[in-house]
Amino acid sequence: KNQVEQSPQSLIILEGKNCTLQCNYTVSPFSNLRWYKQDTGRGPVSLTIMTFSENTKSNGRYTATLDADTKQSSLHITASQLSDSASYICVVQRGTGGFKTIFGAGTRLFVKA
Amino acid sequence: NAGVTQTPKFQVLKTGQSMTLQCAQDMNHEYMSWYRQDPGMGLRLIHYSVGAGITDQGEVPNGYNVSRSTTEDFPLRLLSAAPSQTSVYFCASSIQADTEAFFGQGTRLTVV
Repeated sequence: KNQVEQSPQSLIILEGKNCTLQCNYTVSPFSNLRWYKQDTGRGPVSLTIMTFSENTKSNGRYTATLDADTKQSSLHITASQLSDSASYICVVQRGTGGFKTIFGAGTRLFVKA
Repeated sequence: NAGVTQTPKFQVLKTGQSMTLQCAQDMNHEYMSWYRQDPGMGLRLIHYSVGAGITDQGEVPNGYNVSRSTTEDFPLRLLSAAPSQTSVYFCASSIQADTEAFFGQGTRLTVV
């Protein structure tokens, strides 16, 4: 079954600290993996997209890694800011017949001052 | 720089009523899609379109219809609203199915 599992469900960190969010998937065949940031009451916004051949991609203080062999990805946030408080969603696309997209349930990050 | 525009932002319906959620994009994207987001679950695909005149069902299409008469617009119609359709609905567009998707602000729908 094609699934995307994220951990932890929620996380509280202090402003200025780093954190890492995890994503494990069983989607096959793999096409690409995306990380989105979703602020409360808003639509998701793309942070990174990685294909099979990419194992790291950065977007400012956000760095995503991908291990296609173990089917794991992580999103590392450096020097967190209050504005990083949001849900972070891992999304994996299958690479066959219509690019089926499977969304994880997200990790809710709270950054406290 | 409008991007993807959804209307309305909030809506309350009575069971059995019908309504249309509007979605428009100004980026000339071919691929558009509708999702629903429920607490504790990932977004689920309702319907999608790969271009004007072409639509197809996603993961949870029952109770919803779509049409794509133009590249810009992709309305979602609820035929006879049910409490199970209480959710937040997102429209998204992208150049192709496997490229970066841009989401609208969402429509929060409550069916009573």
